[in-house]
Amino acid sequence: QKEVEQNSGPLSVPEGAIASLNCTYSDRGSQSFFWYRQYSGKSPELIMSIYSNGDKEDGRFTAQLNKASQYVSLLIRDSQPSDSATYLCAVKVAGGFKTIFGAGTRLFVKA
Amino acid sequence: KAGVTQTPRYLIKTRGQQVTLSCSPISGHRSVSWYQQTPGQGLQFLFEYFSETQRNKGNFPGRFSGRQFSNSRSEMNVSTLELGDSALYLCASSSAGATNEKLFFGSGTQLSVL
Repeated sequence: QKEVEQNSGPLSVPEGAIASLNCTYSDRGSQSFFWYRQYSGKSPELIMSIYSNGDKEDGRFTAQLNKASQYVSLLIRDSQPSDSATYLCAVKVAGGFKTIFGAGTRLFVKA
Repeated sequence: KAGVTQTPRYLIKTRGQQVTLSCSPISGHRSVSWYQQTPGQGLQFLFEYFSETQRNKGNFPGRFSGRQFSNSRSEMNVSTLELGDSALYLCASSSAGATNEKLFFGSGTQLSVL
């Protein structure tokens, strides 16, 4: 079982729709959860972090965490073509000094 | 503030050779992590350094090694290159590698092994 699992996609949504990206993790000691966006040919960049159960909103992005289910999600509202990228879910275990990434979900937003 | 700098940007090597990649973290950042990115495997953790000490290591063979200098700059070395080592190698820095800290990535070194 992989430590962090994501559907590879591609996920295709029309412009203006909500894109929903999901992630599960295996280590119950995980304490920090991140979503990175990676455009083709570029490096990953952080878009959201979440540390406690519930929802965290930042603009059009909402991260959701459910530690009991070991589940993290990212919602992108009013999706734009510029949101087309690979979204990487990342998890950090307390004191582990390493961030583990999922393989990423490719998102396409059609104009 | 300058970002994470990786050199070289591209490398072409042949099987059996060795290679050294360099990473300069953001000024003030003392934690440096290295990742291998391939289309099939995604981002795979190689190792993390803080204050010249390796604090964690991923599941890679001993051919992959690294070090960190007193100015926090880091290098990784791959010896006896194999075709499967062809990948994008990314370096990321953070202030101290604490649990809630995000990573700042460099542009990567694209390694091709022929």
